[in-house]
Amino acid sequence: RKEVEQDPGPFNVPEGATVAFNCTYSNSASQSFFWYRQDCRKEPKLLMSVYSSGNEDGRFTAQLNRASQYISLLIRDSKLSDSATYLCVVSVTGTASKLTFGTGTRLQVTL
Amino acid sequence: GAGVSQSPSNKVTEKGKDVELRCDPISGHTALYWYRQSLGQGLEFLIYFQGNSAPDKSGLPSDRFSAERTGGSVSTLTIQRTQQEDSAVYLCASSLSPSGQAFSYNSPLHFGNGTRLTVT
Repeated sequence: RKEVEQDPGPFNVPEGATVAFNCTYSNSASQSFFWYRQDCRKEPKLLMSVYSSGNEDGRFTAQLNRASQYISLLIRDSKLSDSATYLCVVSVTGTASKLTFGTGTRLQVTL
Repeated sequence: GAGVSQSPSNKVTEKGKDVELRCDPISGHTALYWYRQSLGQGLEFLIYFQGNSAPDKSGLPSDRFSAERTGGSVSTLTIQRTQQEDSAVYLCASSLSPSGQAFSYNSPLHFGNGTRLTVT
């Protein structure tokens, strides 16, 4: 089983739709969780950290479910510019060198 | 700009040749990472430098790969006797790591644009 698993997609949604991605992780010692965004042929960029209590940043909401070992990302009112690959990142016990990236979920927002 | 700078942006080399990739992190960032990303794959951790500590080399795929970080700033990743399976985008990232902590929520990774390596 992979340490971090994501549905590769693509998720094709119309503008204005709400879309959600899940990411599962295998190591129960994982402590830090993030969502990164990667545009085609570009470098990954931090989208948001995921806090235990869940957190929201504008149209984006991230949640953590430790019992089931998954994190989620919800995007409301999708924009064309949201089209990208969303990478789930997990860190074990806060050790920087143990950041593990998922392979990403591709989102395509259409007119 | 003030971002992570990598060079070259593209490198085509013949199988068996050595290549050297360079990363110039954001000034003041003590943590530096190398990852590689193959087409359609996730990021694969290669090596991590943190200040003056011994680097974590646990992700290097073979002894043909090595990396240095001089003066706590610029880093070079060297691949000797390149093979076709080495073809990938090599990404460098840096982060600002508070004293005494290896990682924190306030220290996201800042990636460079990567070096696209093609071994023919």
